[in-house]
Amino acid sequence: AQSVTQPDIHITVSEGASLELRCNYSYGATPYLFWYVQSPGQGLQLLLKYFSGDTLVQGIKGFEAEFKRSQSSFNLRKPSVHWSDAAEYFCAVGARSSASKIIFGSGTRLSIRP
Amino acid sequence: GAVVSQHPSRVICKSGTSVKIECRSLDFQATTMFWYRQFPKQSLMLMATSNEGSKATYEQGVEKDKFLINHASLTLSTLTVTSAHPEDSSFYICSAREGGAGGKTGELFFGEGSRLTVL
Repeated sequence: AQSVTQPDIHITVSEGASLELRCNYSYGATPYLFWYVQSPGQGLQLLLKYFSGDTLVQGIKGFEAEFKRSQSSFNLRKPSVHWSDAAEYFCAVGARSSASKIIFGSGTRLSIRP
Repeated sequence: GAVVSQHPSRVICKSGTSVKIECRSLDFQATTMFWYRQFPKQSLMLMATSNEGSKATYEQGVEKDKFLINHASLTLSTLTVTSAHPEDSSFYICSAREGGAGGKTGELFFGEGSRLTVL
């Protein structure tokens, strides 16, 4: 069965510092992987996605993620965080079929230290 | 990107009443929509997959008679919480996949969410 693990519940980094949010997945086939961000009381916004090809994926707001098949990981990175990046981040795994479910990780809450 | 709209964004109701939440894909057709529930400070739990023109597929443990889903058109799915109770209070989020059957991008677009409070 497919599953997603985000081992870090809460991370605090200083503004301007680099960020890495961890995501590990379990999936029977080649996965399609996503990172979403959610601000308090809001819906979700897609940051980036990996379907195939280059394993380093660039997203919006300066985020990137790297798919590592050997480690079953899809970690999210940003070289320099801004106070506005404080939010909840969700990693998700799914398949291409329109009827296929997307399963979300438990989320990582990011706080920014001034 | 494509836009998914949910309405209402907030609703407060009395225990025992029913509440309907709408999910619309504004600029694309979606044969499949998904309904999620999110408890405070927790992840999204998939409740059901809404299929246009057919019955919804519910996840294990989700009461289909409690959470009625109707997907009558390619741009609208509704979730009705019947005989609501305080434990049904939650944040409900819908999503739709662009591109119709086969989903050419695979990307899910999410609505803004609907916060239900049952008194």
